[in-house]
Amino acid sequence: NAGVTQTPKFQVLKTGQSMTLQCAQDMNHNSMYWYRQDPGMGLRLIYYSASEGTTDKGEVPNGYNVSRLNKREFSLRLESAAPSQTSVYFCASSVRTLSYNEQFFGPGTRLTVL
Amino acid sequence: RKEVEQDPGPFNVPEGATVAFNCTYSNSASQSFFWYRQDCRKEPKLLMSVYSSGNEDGRFTAQLNRASQYISLLIRDSKLSDSATYLCVEYQAGTALIFGKGTTLSVSS
Repeated sequence: NAGVTQTPKFQVLKTGQSMTLQCAQDMNHNSMYWYRQDPGMGLRLIYYSASEGTTDKGEVPNGYNVSRLNKREFSLRLESAAPSQTSVYFCASSVRTLSYNEQFFGPGTRLTVL
Repeated sequence: RKEVEQDPGPFNVPEGATVAFNCTYSNSASQSFFWYRQDCRKEPKLLMSVYSSGNEDGRFTAQLNRASQYISLLIRDSKLSDSATYLCVEYQAGTALIFGKGTTLSVSS
């Protein structure tokens, strides 16, 4: 039981490049989330998926797109990376959406955009 | 955006000390709160849920004060392994989990 896994762990991009961050969970959770964490800031929600086939914007969705590929997988895409997107990205999952259920986090992807 | 405010610290305490963190929230209608722990360069993990009657788990006690809109985390008999950042989290019904910026604790021998 791996929990929530994310790939890659580290990535360096140049401004304007694109990439997809991958996330998978094996806990049969319905809901999945993407957060970013910046120094001096709390975790901020980018997008979430209440269930397979649905996605919704969070607090900071601009510059990102997501795909809920199936119940297990939720990817985050940066179409044209900008230095302001340098951050640590965490994927999380929970049994239900935006509820008081515990959210389980992946190990994070550290992204630097030059 | 409603904010969750935490003293960033750092709190530097010796082993065996008792330390308390407070966290204030702005939405009086919020119903549920949590404390997450985040080790350096690691992911957040749930430490405790905070119930209106208070919640105790070993050396950790969490309390909610609705009148003053704050929650607290008390750690007794601090261990070196308690060194981490503690995130206060507010659940606003129908929206998202709102994370505080975290309070850093350093326990020294």
